[in-house]
Amino acid sequence: QQPVQSPQAVILREGEDAVINCSSSKALYSVHWYRQKHGEAPVFLMILLKGGEQKGHEKISASFNEKKQQSSLYLTASQLSYSGTYFCGTETQGGSEKLVFGKGTKLTVNP
Amino acid sequence: DTGVSQNPRHKITKRGQNVTFRCDPISEHNRLYWYRQTLGQGPEFLTYFQNEAQLEKSRLLSDRFSAERPKGSFSTLEIQRTEQGDSAMYLCASSLGDLRPGQGAVGREKLFFGSGTQLSVL
Repeated sequence: QQPVQSPQAVILREGEDAVINCSSSKALYSVHWYRQKHGEAPVFLMILLKGGEQKGHEKISASFNEKKQQSSLYLTASQLSYSGTYFCGTETQGGSEKLVFGKGTKLTVNP
Repeated sequence: DTGVSQNPRHKITKRGQNVTFRCDPISEHNRLYWYRQTLGQGPEFLTYFQNEAQLEKSRLLSDRFSAERPKGSFSTLEIQRTEQGDSAMYLCASSLGDLRPGQGAVGREKLFFGSGTQLSVL
């Protein structure tokens, strides 16, 4: 039931783009994205509900492909502040009312 | 909005001792979640409350773990007879959940996480 994230780690130079994927074997109601910096609490980025919508948050956007049960997080023109570990959390249809988080993708943005 | 508060920030204990953590959610939030996170892993669900009712507890969770949320306000997580494998960061999160729980209820509401309690069992 745990969603699978890929890649496990990404290293970028400032200004480069990255895509992080989150896949589930179960049908989903929603996908949440959170970012966690070392030693800090996870911070909410965005929610995507079933319906294939795409949302944006500054230069970070995401999509939800309901047919594939997959969400992708797009980081464009990355900034140093984007460094951290990105987690997707999913709520499955037919499941209980909780988010199950993936193992995370560690993003490092270098100058 | 003062955020989600967790105490203590760090706890070191000897194996076999009992420990209790406290979480104060954002005041108007009716849902409260406990997660556990180990190094390099995502948060692992433990249990959650809607108001004072504990609606789900992870099947993987030992009977040594118990949580309460009296009066639907703060929550406590107690671990009895701690083991070294209990060492982890314990995260609390709250949200303004749908008052009519059902599938998809959590999906519309973002979670606000506390800074966690780091437990080390020696």
